[in-house]
Amino acid sequence: DAKTTQPPSMDCAEGRAANLPCNHSTISGNEYVYWYRQIHSQGPQYIIHGLKNNETNEMASLIITEDRKSSTLILPHATLRDTAVYYCIVSGSNDYKLSFGAGTTVTVRA
Amino acid sequence: SAVISQKPSRDICQRGTSLTIQCQVDSQVTMMFWYRQQPGQSLTLIATANQGSEATYESGFVIDKFPISRPNLTFSTLTVSNMSPEDSSIYLCSGGGTGLHGYTFGSGTRLTVV
Repeated sequence: DAKTTQPPSMDCAEGRAANLPCNHSTISGNEYVYWYRQIHSQGPQYIIHGLKNNETNEMASLIITEDRKSSTLILPHATLRDTAVYYCIVSGSNDYKLSFGAGTTVTVRA
Repeated sequence: SAVISQKPSRDICQRGTSLTIQCQVDSQVTMMFWYRQQPGQSLTLIATANQGSEATYESGFVIDKFPISRPNLTFSTLTVSNMSPEDSSIYLCSGGGTGLHGYTFGSGTRLTVV
C-alpha cells in the first residue's frame, strides 16, 4: 500500500523556489517524513527529514502540516542541477526501512 | 555521512549464471539494505542485510534467488543467482545509522542479462 501521494511531475524556473507537495494521510505517530532525490544515473541522495516540526538544512526546507497528513519540500533557489526525481517517504522509527513510491519528476528550466 | 562503494558498476552476464555484487562502506553502519531498480521504475527493497545473521527479505524476494551476506558492519554482498533477462536491473546498496540522519546509497550496479 502506498503511504505517500506525490504529483508525477512538475516544472519550475531556475532561480525560483520549488515547492513539492506530498500527502501522507495515514501517517502514524512514530513515523517520520523523509525526502530523497535521485539524479539521473545516480543513487538516491538524502535531502531532509522531519517528525512534526518544520526543518531546514543547507539543501531544503520541510514544512509539515499540524495534522501531519501532508508536507511540502521547498528548494529555495532551484538550479538546473536540481533536476531529479524527488521521493517523499514515510518510515517508522522502529523498522528503519525506506519504501520508495513513484516520486515527482522535477525539471528545472532556464 | 558514510560513503558507499559498489562493485562492479556494470556487467553483462549470460543467463543461468550468477553475479555477486559487493558493497563497501567507509565506516561502520548499523543498517544495510539492497534495492532493485528496473528500467524507468522506482526502487524496490529486496532485503535488509543483517550483520552476522540471515537477511530479512521483502515479499517477492527469496534467499535462493538473492543470497545476501553481511560479515561485518562495513561490508555486504548480494548475489543474483541463476539469472534470466528479467533480472536486468540496477541493484543498489544503502546504509547508515538508524535512518534518522538519512541513508547513503551506492551508485548502483547496472546488470544486463543476455
